[in-house]
Amino acid sequence: QKEVEQDPGPLSVPEGAIVSLNCTYSNSAFQYFMWYRQYSRKGPELLMYTYSSGNKEDGRFTAQVDKSSKYISLFIRDSQPSDSATYLCAMISDTGRRALTFGSGTRLQVQP
Amino acid sequence: SQTIHQWPATLVQPVGSPLSLECTVEGTSNPNLYWYRQAAGRGLQLLFYSVGIGQISSEVPQNLSASRPQDRQFILSSKKLLLSDSGFYLCAWSRPHTDTQYFGPGTRLTVL
Repeated sequence: QKEVEQDPGPLSVPEGAIVSLNCTYSNSAFQYFMWYRQYSRKGPELLMYTYSSGNKEDGRFTAQVDKSSKYISLFIRDSQPSDSATYLCAMISDTGRRALTFGSGTRLQVQP
Repeated sequence: SQTIHQWPATLVQPVGSPLSLECTVEGTSNPNLYWYRQAAGRGLQLLFYSVGIGQISSEVPQNLSASRPQDRQFILSSKKLLLSDSGFYLCAWSRPHTDTQYFGPGTRLTVL
């Protein structure tokens, strides 16, 4: 079983839709969570970083963490064609090896 | 502001040939540096990380090696490439004692 599971998609939505992207994880030591956006053939770009359960909002993006369920989400409001990319969740534990563990990424397509 | 560079952007090499990929970071001192590989449609696999000059930790045993000859320079090498070494190689940096990592543009390596 992978430490981090992420639906690979592709997820296709019309412009203006609310998008929900999700990851589940098995390691309860993960305490810090990040979302990256990766355009085709480019390096990942950090979108959101959070370390506590609950919601964190930044513009059209909201990151949600539920540590009791080992489940994190990224919501995108008013999605735009420019949001079309692969979204990677990443997490790190607060003990031992301080290296990010990534999900495999969800490919999002926003149709104009 | 900080900038991370990687070169070359694209590389096609025959099996058995040597490899040298370079990564440099500008605008920060004593960064943590990372090498990842991303296979097609898959997440990022951490290969090496470094917390200082000459300090390299290897995550996955393989025919690759890494070196950090200067504070902001990180090099990924191989003496003899395998077909399985093909992939997208990403360098990343983070500030000391922090978790958020920032990625370079990547090098796409094809081994034929």
